[in-house]
Amino acid sequence: ILNVEQSPQSLHVQEGDSTNFTCSFPSSNFYALHWYRWETAKSPEALFVMTLNGDEKKKGRISATLNTKEGYSYLYIKGSQPEDSATYLCASRRGDKYIFGTGTRLKVLA
Amino acid sequence: DAGVTQSPTHLIKTRGQQVTLRCSPKSGHDTVSWYQQALGQGPQFIFQYYEEEERQRGNFPDRFSGHQFPNYSSELNVNALWLGDSALYLCASSLSYNEQFFGPGTRLTVL
Repeated sequence: ILNVEQSPQSLHVQEGDSTNFTCSFPSSNFYALHWYRWETAKSPEALFVMTLNGDEKKKGRISATLNTKEGYSYLYIKGSQPEDSATYLCASRRGDKYIFGTGTRLKVLA
Repeated sequence: DAGVTQSPTHLIKTRGQQVTLRCSPKSGHDTVSWYQQALGQGPQFIFQYYEEEERQRGNFPDRFSGHQFPNYSSELNVNALWLGDSALYLCASSLSYNEQFFGPGTRLTVL
């Protein structure tokens, strides 16, 4: 993998459902993996910075895991709420360059 | 702390014109990076400024240039605009190589 790829591109879930997204990135020259939450008309908000293989991070109902050997990260949202609706971006940092995926657009239906 | 601020919020230009976008970094940050996000794409790295010098550059033509001032604020200049330059331009600041914090972006439309 040469680019950062995210899947799915978009999804709709019902309030209360749990969901997860995937970020695939080049495993060579890896430095860090960043997850951002981006609401329309606002700045991307940093969720997690992950550096070590096997890292797991959690913030409230949102958690993420990292596998640097195979080059993927999962973001999980437990019990989705309408306020979780946003675009979730991941970025692989190689040196001091950030390479972004195209994001996963999440819509949580009340 | 106002965080990273960008101006203007929106801008409309015509082909061939020149545009200047501005960014004020988060207090205490000395590094500014610029990104272009075209419709349906992720943010693409344009360049990064540190100590008033361009430190890194992405795959963008020379029409894209920048500047960093002694107060660490930065400008992005794009000359000879064409339709494909229509995008959201994001600025991010950091303290040297530490984590980046993003501004809300400037939406540029080229007609």
